[in-house]
Amino acid sequence: ILNVEQSPQSLHVQEGDSTNFTCSFPSSNFYALHWYRWETAKSPEALFVMTLNGDEKKKGRISATLNTKEGYSYLYIKGSQPEDSATYLCAFKTVGNQFYFGTGTSLTVIP
Amino acid sequence: GAGVSQTPSNKVTEKGKYVELRCDPISGHTALYWYRQSLGQGPEFLIYFQGTGAADDSGLPNDRFFAVRPEGSVSTLKIQRTERGDSAVYLCASRAGSSGANVLTFGAGSRLTVL
Repeated sequence: ILNVEQSPQSLHVQEGDSTNFTCSFPSSNFYALHWYRWETAKSPEALFVMTLNGDEKKKGRISATLNTKEGYSYLYIKGSQPEDSATYLCAFKTVGNQFYFGTGTSLTVIP
Repeated sequence: GAGVSQTPSNKVTEKGKYVELRCDPISGHTALYWYRQSLGQGPEFLIYFQGTGAADDSGLPNDRFFAVRPEGSVSTLKIQRTERGDSAVYLCASRAGSSGANVLTFGAGSRLTVL
């Protein structure tokens, strides 16, 4: 079992604020890191797949960076909106095609 | 189908009973995963199928849990002699292939409550 940690566990921000959270994972045997967004009463949906050290991905106001040497990824949300409220999960993919998830960061954006 | 379908969406059962949870993946997806999510935790890996075979069942917590995928499509997670600690949301996900770029597509989950 791999240890994937996310912080903070929960976050409340005001609409318009920018925010970021962290995913930490083992720096050895890295294959890929996925970010998923899980809205209440829906299924988790993929945001980003990151494979190379130094990767930066962006989708609208959300972006992510990856540092495989030190074992962390940051997810950034610029100008948070109420519809960004969700749990954000990261998943470490092994070469054997298992995915190990962190505990998630629950984001609440207050209008 | 258009997405991953899981049934039932909710199941309430009594301690000691047998439960089956079904997952119908996206057509053509060769990989299928089962996860369990308890309150305050992230999804916990249970088992991964590649085609009909269980490529990795190391996450099954004990021998009361078993999963099958006989024709390489629909999978059933079977829990015998349920215990209160089995209460959780059971998530199924499928994946098109083993490329690092292929993401997991999740179903809506089956919420199991053991009384």
